[in-house]
Amino acid sequence: GAGVSQSPSNKVTEKGKDVELRCDPISGHTALYWYRQSLGQGLEFLIYFQGNSAPDKSGLPSDRFSAERTGGSVSTLTIQRTQQEDSAVYLCASSLSGTHTDTQYFGPGTRLTVL
Amino acid sequence: GQSLEQPSEVTAVEGAIVQINCTYQTSGFYGLSWYQQHDGGAPTFLSYNALDGLEETGRFSSFLSRSDSYGYLLLQELQMKDSASYFCAPPYGQNFVFGPGTRLSVLP
Repeated sequence: GAGVSQSPSNKVTEKGKDVELRCDPISGHTALYWYRQSLGQGLEFLIYFQGNSAPDKSGLPSDRFSAERTGGSVSTLTIQRTQQEDSAVYLCASSLSGTHTDTQYFGPGTRLTVL
Repeated sequence: GQSLEQPSEVTAVEGAIVQINCTYQTSGFYGLSWYQQHDGGAPTFLSYNALDGLEETGRFSSFLSRSDSYGYLLLQELQMKDSASYFCAPPYGQNFVFGPGTRLSVLP
């Protein structure tokens, strides 16, 4: 079946604008993760959704960042009033049930550039 | 809290063996994953050690010692396509914490 998809693949925006990034997880996967990766750096955890449980938002860097997951499937990451330091690749991953033995399948990412 | 250490870069030649170490301090640690990421690509899962010892999958092996807070990824018979970044990732709560990554360059 199809893997994790993300859109857009690239987004260039001006400082102060809001952006929305979309993630379509693998069908049937209950766990969904958002990460941020700056150039040449590791993955920074942002937020985690598991089924109908309250999301783990502990990695969100500021209140300008928010995310939703509708119907247990598609997720949207919203960044309000973007800043230049928000420039990074935003990666989404899903796994079958969110246990530590489950493989996380990553999408291709959205490269965000804030001018 | 948690901290992870990996070498930033490793260089080896085709056909060689290379070991990428990962040391960490996490609370509630109980396993270690490894992911591979080619330039411009998404991370892909390589292995997960739930228990101490060596797990082998083809040319790649992964080792874990929970008592020593240490693990490594062993790549044998290196190929050019193995040039990539490698991340260790121990579970942390419901999530994973990813290390800073090791960039492996395989030379002909």
